[in-house]
Amino acid sequence: NAGVMQNPRHLVRRRGQEARLRCSPMKGHSHVYWYRQLPEEGLKFMVYLQKENIIDESGMPKERFSAEFPKEGPSILRIQQVVRGDSAAYFCASAGPTNTGELFFGEGSRLTVL
Amino acid sequence: SQKIEQNSEALNIQEGKTATLTCNYTNYSPAYLQWYRQDPGRGPVFLLLIRENEKEKRKERLKVTFDTTLKQSLFHITASQPADSATYLCALVDNAGNMLTFGGGTRLMVKP
Repeated sequence: NAGVMQNPRHLVRRRGQEARLRCSPMKGHSHVYWYRQLPEEGLKFMVYLQKENIIDESGMPKERFSAEFPKEGPSILRIQQVVRGDSAAYFCASAGPTNTGELFFGEGSRLTVL
Repeated sequence: SQKIEQNSEALNIQEGKTATLTCNYTNYSPAYLQWYRQDPGRGPVFLLLIRENEKEKRKERLKVTFDTTLKQSLFHITASQPADSATYLCALVDNAGNMLTFGGGTRLMVKP
């Protein structure tokens, strides 16, 4: 049973470019969460999605960031016109249909903005 | 303001001893609280969940307590081993919300 799969694991972008991070949840999981982690800091909630719906995006910056979880395919976190401050590890987590509370995390995508 | 606070200083203990990590929260009414382990360069891994009406939960060498009056959870690892060295994160879901909010984590170093 494959776990949460994130890709790419490492991404380097120049300022002004776009970054797209992908997350495939565990099989049978319909809840996806995105978190950001800066070096030596905790995980900061960004967005919570279910298939085709954004449930809570209270942690998402208002500009340049967007997320989707289409009916088919992985969840995508998109960062437009990246800046150096966007450099961080982005973690995706999934939860099952009953959402008992336990989150299953991927290994993260590490974005470096030059 | 809402806060989840964990000791940011690393905890260094000798192998075989019990490690105790603290998680304090302010201005939350948690439905439940969780503990995760995170190794460098890896994603967090779920360890234990304790609900607001539970005082204590155990799993093998791990024990979690939850005191809603003190607004505190303690996480214990008994008979600690060097392999327990990692960062431990506490997280909670507030009764008013639906997402897991994390503390900053405490790094545990177990020396042989």
